[in-house]
Amino acid sequence: GAVVSQHPSRVICKSGTSVKIECRSLDFQATTMFWYRQFPKKSLMLMATSNEGSKATYEQGVEKDKFLINHASLTLSTLTVTSAHPEDSSFYICSATRDRANTEAFFGQGTRLTVV
Amino acid sequence: LAKTTQPISMDSYEGQEVNITCSHNNIATNDYITWYQQFPSQGPRFIIQGYKTKVTNEVASLFIPADRKSSTLSLPRVSLSDTAVYYCLVGGGYQKVTFGTGTKLQVIP
Repeated sequence: GAVVSQHPSRVICKSGTSVKIECRSLDFQATTMFWYRQFPKKSLMLMATSNEGSKATYEQGVEKDKFLINHASLTLSTLTVTSAHPEDSSFYICSATRDRANTEAFFGQGTRLTVV
Repeated sequence: LAKTTQPISMDSYEGQEVNITCSHNNIATNDYITWYQQFPSQGPRFIIQGYKTKVTNEVASLFIPADRKSSTLSLPRVSLSDTAVYYCLVGGGYQKVTFGTGTKLQVIP
């Protein structure tokens, strides 16, 4: 199956700093990628839809200035958590689909963010 | 977005067949049904996908009735390593999907 890779897998940062998480589709081009957030023992919560070459579409309640998404190429989308605070600590996961006709979403391995 | 409903948790002994049912009453004509498995601190992993009737692969079977308002994931002869959370998703492709609660399967020795 197709591979989606996230980097880093784990990061610890200080409050007030910004952290960038990368999501790459390694063997296919992804026009659309999705970013999710997951709290412990909870389900995945969709944060935003990342579209190559255009602005991301954010879900209600997700601050676009807090979670900056850039999808500059067909194989890379980045999520930047700006001015991170301890409440931003979470597990962030991205997914991508190969093309419009392909209905399977491929997920990255996730990034554990801890803000201290 | 089609909403899904699954049992929150299930227990099963090793070697038994496990069936997890998902309800998706407002599934759209173009929607596929996909099941994912997630282990702690990992991204979801694709298990199986179907549109109607029955689909089988090397790890599971998926049963979908004619009205497509529900689906059942069947895991044959589960082992301890099958302990995970299982999510049923409806949609696909470029459509955004909403994760339900998932079903936490605990396999008991």
